[in-house]
Amino acid sequence: QVQLVQSGAEVKKPGASVKVSCKASGYTFTSYGFTWVRQAPGQGLEWMGYISAYNGNTMYAHNLRDRVTMTTDTSTSTAYMEVRSLTSDDTAVYYCARWGPLEPLPDYWGQGTLVTVSA
Amino acid sequence: EIVLTQSPGTLSLSPGERATLSCRASQSVTSTYLAWYQQKPGQAPRLLVYGASSRATGIPDRFSGSGSGTDFTLTISRLEPEDFAVYYCHQYDWSSFTFGQGTKLEIK
Repeated sequence: QVQLVQSGAEVKKPGASVKVSCKASGYTFTSYGFTWVRQAPGQGLEWMGYISAYNGNTMYAHNLRDRVTMTTDTSTSTAYMEVRSLTSDDTAVYYCARWGPLEPLPDYWGQGTLVTVSA
Repeated sequence: EIVLTQSPGTLSLSPGERATLSCRASQSVTSTYLAWYQQKPGQAPRLLVYGASSRATGIPDRFSGSGSGTDFTLTISRLEPEDFAVYYCHQYDWSSFTFGQGTKLEIK
């Protein structure tokens, strides 16, 4: 069965970076892509961007494109999402979700990773 | 960027009643790329409907999606206790991706 297992919770200081991982299993990794979505406490879902595990193509949300990098490692079937120059506004639960193979529809989701930014 | 506006913000109904949730887009959305998700507290979103009207695998037939252009609807024909949650619409056209702000479906 398809499973996406994310890395554990993180606490970071303002100005630092965080890298969240998402390990996939149960399907052919390179036939799909990953969408990253975040959710601030008590708020709705915010689309952050996507990456194709097939060719590495990425697309980022306009408000994050200068601070976010998404990558994949096909040898370990793992997707990564890094956010730099963190502020308190980046405190949120970060989700990875699989999409594809024909359209960028997020179907299976990871369990979420809480990132807290605090001095 | 296409803005999705969901209404109402909160919907209070009783088990057994019918729920109608709306998602309106600021410009026309390709129906192929409109989805609905359910999220319960402390859980990841769950895909309910994609392509505006196709139910995802394992989703009960009391959930149905409809609409086109700028107006989309998620209908739950007869509410079960486990249906009380927050619902989000999502458009995922290759060039634009946004979520609605959500509708909270609460028990009356």
